This record gives sequence, C-alpha cells and structure tokens, in this order.
Amino acid sequence: NAGVTQTPKFQVLKTGQSMTLQCAQDMNHNSMYWYRQDPGMGLRLIYYSASEGTTDKGEVPNGYNVSRLNKREFSLRLESAAPSQTSVYFCASSPTSGGRDTQYFGPGTRLTVL
Amino acid sequence: SQQGEEDPQALSIQEGENATMNCSYKTSINNLQWYRQNSGRGLVHLILIRSNEREKHSGRLRVTLDTSKKSSSLLITASRAADTASYFCATVVSGYSTLTFGKGTMLLVSP
Repeated sequence: NAGVTQTPKFQVLKTGQSMTLQCAQDMNHNSMYWYRQDPGMGLRLIYYSASEGTTDKGEVPNGYNVSRLNKREFSLRLESAAPSQTSVYFCASSPTSGGRDTQYFGPGTRLTVL
Repeated sequence: SQQGEEDPQALSIQEGENATMNCSYKTSINNLQWYRQNSGRGLVHLILIRSNEREKHSGRLRVTLDTSKKSSSLLITASRAADTASYFCATVVSGYSTLTFGKGTMLLVSP
C-alpha cells in the first residue's frame, strides 16, 4: 500500500517548456488535490477533483491544467512554464469531498523553472 | 489574506519540554486540522477537530478549539528531537469544501 505517489521527484524546466506532474493513489479515495508550497508559505490549492470526472479551480489555478484520468490518477500540466511556477508541488487525496476528512499527501515534486 | 495563521512562526525548546502552537482564523469553520511536515517531506495529518468539539487528544498531542475566539492550539507534551518539524493548521470554512492552510510554525527540539 504505497499511499499517494508522485513523479517526478525533481524537475528543471526552461521558461516556456511544458510538463505534466503525475499523481496516483491506491487508497480508493474519491477526492484528489494539487497544491503548491513556496518558501515560508503554507500550501495553496491549485485544482481539486471532488470525484472521478469532475475538476474545480482552487486558489491559484492560472497557468495550470488538470486531468482526473481515472479514480486513481490526477495529473497537473504546465503548458508554458514560467519562473513564478518554481515551487514544490504536492498531491493529496481524501476519502470524500467536502473537507470532512483528513488528506493524505504525496512526497512532493520540486520544480525549478529557469 | 490567510484564513489561518499560526503563532509563533518559530519555536525552539529542549527535549522533554512542552510545545504550544496557536492558530487563529477569520471566518466560521466546519473543522480545523493540524498537519506536520518534516523537512523536504509531504504533510502528515495529526488531528481533525470539528466545530462542535472543544478538545481532542492523540498520544502526546492535545488540540483545543475555541470558536468564540476563532482560535485553536496544539500542545505537544514531553517533546522529542523527532518532533522537529513544521506544523500547519488548516481550516474548512463553512460553506466551502476545501482546506485553507496557514504558513506554519517551525518547531526545533534540541537534545
């Protein structure tokens, strides 16, 4: 039981390049989330998926797209990376939506955009 | 502005001492959650306390919630070096379905 896994762990991009961050969970959770964490800051929600087939914007969605591929997988895409997107990205999942449950976090992807 | 804000920003104590961190928030909530983050790692859930609860315990952790003051505290008793981490409070605002995190308290426990 791996919990929440994220790939890659580290990535360096040049401005304008695109990439997709992958996230998978094996806990049969309905809801999944993408956050970013900047130095000295808490986590900020980028996008979330309350259930398979739905996605919604969070606090900082600009510059990102997401895909809930199936119940297990939720990917985050940067179409044209910018230096402001340098951050650590965390994926999380929870059994249900509505904020009633705890969230389980992956180990993070450290992204640098030059 | 942040919904939840932790205080202090940093705390340094000796092993065996108690550590208290506070969280204040602005609007009414459904629940408040505390998470721990070790350096370079993902967040780990510690305790969830609902708006109709006043106190919860889990091992050496004690969380209180005062909805009239819009504040919560996390007490770690008999701290260990392994408790060194950043601690975040997160709230679910009434009428919403997502967590909003504070900036965290960095706790350093020295042997």
